[in-house]
This record gives sequence, structure tokens and C-alpha cells, in this order.
Amino acid sequence: QSALTQPASVSGSPGQSITISCTGTSSDVGGYNYVSWYQQHPGKAPKLIIYGVNNRPSGFSNRFSGSKSGNTASLTISGLQAEDEADYYCSSYTTTSTLVVFGGGTKLTVL
Amino acid sequence: EIQLMESGGGLVQPGGSLRLSCEASGITVSNNYMSWFRQAPGKGLECVSLIYSGGNTFYADSVKGRFTISRDNSKNTVYLQMNSLRDEDTAVYYCARDGYSNNWFVSWGQGTLVTVSS
Repeated sequence: QSALTQPASVSGSPGQSITISCTGTSSDVGGYNYVSWYQQHPGKAPKLIIYGVNNRPSGFSNRFSGSKSGNTASLTISGLQAEDEADYYCSSYTTTSTLVVFGGGTKLTVL
Repeated sequence: EIQLMESGGGLVQPGGSLRLSCEASGITVSNNYMSWFRQAPGKGLECVSLIYSGGNTFYADSVKGRFTISRDNSKNTVYLQMNSLRDEDTAVYYCARDGYSNNWFVSWGQGTLVTVSS
């Protein structure tokens, strides 16, 4: 049972936009701006794509954006491309642990 | 270029021990928050241990008392000593660097597989 809740899967066609939600509580997502998102292709290490709710690491595509409302954070990917097909994980600081917690991951399928 | 290279994974029997290593290049591990994550087959990510630049260490409840994180500044390497291994510790273990000192892990190794089985 993951600390944060994500949908198991989402899908979209090339060029479309999709949004992945990440729901927590006021002890994590809702209480602090320390949400991050990771992209993981099969057999590869995770890659940080969003930090601090809505910041992108240097050089990363601006098709990826993050936001937060209450206890739910969201990752939006616009202009879907085939290479976006991957697993996406949200993560957050939490007052209930000394370590970050994760969502269970969302598998994005580009149709 | 920053590189993290894990090693030390393998097959071990329940109750056994392994030591994972994470050799860094392009950064100084003692100046960074460094962490170990794991991912069981077909499952999500879990942070198992973290060491601050100041040396404080933290552990997930699932490994507390069994795993120990440490670093050797002269070798620019972070270690994860894993004792009393259980079947449920089977996973790919990743070393990662927090580039912002806010638990945002910007650099990752390629991972090393640990299999606990009799």
C-alpha cells in the first residue's frame, strides 16, 4: 500500500495532453511544496522530471508541467510523443517519515 | 558528467548479508545527500536509506536495524550494508544523489539486482 495514490494507468494519443494525479494528505502533498515526479522507462533508472511541485530540471522538456491543489498534485504532459510511454511516480516529503514517500506509479500508454 | 555506479548485488540466501557500493564521479559524495532506493520486481519505488552531507543517517522501517548506510570519502563511495536479508528484500537497488538537499533525486545509478532466495 503506497503512501500516495496514483491511477494505475492512463493513455493518450500522440499530440494529446494527459494528466496524472497524485493524492496524499495534509501531512505530505497538501502541507508542503516538496512534490516531485519521476519518469521510468522499462529496465532503466528513474529520472527526475519535476521538483518542488512545478519546476523542471535544467534541459528537460517544457511539455511536462506540474501543479498542486489541496492534497492532490498533478503531472501534465502535453503534445504526447511515443517516447513519453513510461511509468511515472510522484514523491513527497512527509511529516510521518524521515524518508520521502512515493505513489504506486502510473503506466502511461501512448496509443 | 555525474555518474553513479552501483555494484555488489547478487544471489544470497535468507538470513545472509551483502554490501552494495555506489562509486561516484563528477560529484563529492560527502557534499551531497545520498540515498539508496529499491524496486521489487514489477513494483514501485521505495526509499530505504539516506545519508546527509553532515553524516546523519535515516532508514525505512522495513530495513531499520538490518541495513546500514555509510560512506568512504577517500573513495568517494557510498555503501549499503544489508544483513539478515529476507525474501522481501529482493529488488533492484539504486543509488541516487539529491541535487537540491530537498529529497529531489536528480542523479541515479543504473541499479544492481539483489535476489534473496534459498
